[in-house]
Amino acid sequence: GEDVEQSLFLSVREGDSSVINCTYTDSSSTYLYWYKQEPGAGLQLLTYIFSNMDMKQDQRLTVLLNKKDKHLSLRIADTQTGDSAIYFCAEPLSGGYNKLIFGAGTRLAVHP
Amino acid sequence: KAGVTQTPRYLIKTRGQQVTLSCSPISGHRSVSWYQQTPGQGLQFLFEYFSETQRNKGNFPGRFSGRQFSNSRSEMNVSTLELGDSALYLCASSPTGSGGELFFGEGSRLTVL
Repeated sequence: GEDVEQSLFLSVREGDSSVINCTYTDSSSTYLYWYKQEPGAGLQLLTYIFSNMDMKQDQRLTVLLNKKDKHLSLRIADTQTGDSAIYFCAEPLSGGYNKLIFGAGTRLAVHP
Repeated sequence: KAGVTQTPRYLIKTRGQQVTLSCSPISGHRSVSWYQQTPGQGLQFLFEYFSETQRNKGNFPGRFSGRQFSNSRSEMNVSTLELGDSALYLCASSPTGSGGELFFGEGSRLTVL
């Protein structure tokens, strides 16, 4: 069945780049998503990439997609303390309308 | 535009009781999904409604049910509560019928004692 895997923790120094990795299983996904959850809050759509793209840049965010390896990554440039949150990779279930399969989430800690 | 609104934000129940959670989607969004978030299981899909019809259901027991009204507002109900139902219940609405672009509310945190 579908599965999305992520590493659980990442610690970076303020100003450095953060790279959060994700692997997924459904090669037919048309979009892949990154969501962000801050403490005590719901999830916020951060960015997404269409499956026919290799890379998408959005200000400090860069998404890389390797379809052959089913690997997705999110790079945050110049990481700030406000970026501390849990980041979820997600893919839609094939034929599943708006049903998303989420990874376990990567907790990003940014320290001075 | 107002975001997704969930009520109540926090509630405490005891085992065996039932609970109803409410979700008001973003205006114009006809798709409403519900997810359960727990530290152990992460985010798990409960169900999705579109134009008052349930289109998808996750692997949860029949104690979990939901519905959507003609104004797209949705409710979910959990009957005969168990300790393991303690979780953050997240509602999300979408402007599209499929694809996964979801806008989440802040959630209803349920504690079962």
